[in-house]
Amino acid sequence: SAVISQKPSRDICQRGTSLTIQCQVDSQVTMMFWYRQQPGQSLTLIATANQGSEATYESGFVIDKFPISRPNLTFSTLTVSNMSPEDSSIYLCSVYDRTRTSTDTQYFGPGTRLTVL
Amino acid sequence: SQKIEQNSEALNIQEGKTATLTCNYTNYSPAYLQWYRQDPGRGPVFLLLIRENEKEKRKERLKVTFDTTLKQSLFHITASQPADSATYLCALALGGKLIFGQGTELSVKP
Repeated sequence: SAVISQKPSRDICQRGTSLTIQCQVDSQVTMMFWYRQQPGQSLTLIATANQGSEATYESGFVIDKFPISRPNLTFSTLTVSNMSPEDSSIYLCSVYDRTRTSTDTQYFGPGTRLTVL
Repeated sequence: SQKIEQNSEALNIQEGKTATLTCNYTNYSPAYLQWYRQDPGRGPVFLLLIRENEKEKRKERLKVTFDTTLKQSLFHITASQPADSATYLCALALGGKLIFGQGTELSVKP
């Protein structure tokens, strides 16, 4: 399985500012995803990070609010822009490698706990 | 749209007993269904996958069943231990993405 790290692990931010979260994988993977987990809720997929092209966003999420980069097969960033208290959540990146499995089993990073004041 | 429902209430059991968690889904039947464990402050960890043509899958003290007629999966932990306390999530794949249930929090008391 892949080893995934995220930075920062947690942060407290002021309303109106932006935060960029980094996700680093120890091996090349085909698919990387970003999820949000609001307090007491399950995981909601924000977008699929595509290497070399624009991310694919799920309904309810837009690029202006959650710009995503994926410059190579081991790294991605998610920015939470113009934050409000409603953005307080845990943000998780996950990966799976279609060359190794056909079953969409995903491996998750430890998450970034964001609090917006 | 596809929906997944898990027991929303926390499950409290005594150490040594068998915990049974339920996952129900609507609409189409997936080719396979997955179970994850999530500890507080951590990302989910993959536990088991069961395919539509498999009625049962086991891994150590874990057992998963899959009934495509009932559109339901059951997740069992036998001889439960306090270390099994966590939130358990079921997930199914849709178009290359995973859709997660809301999770069931399990608490095993010594």
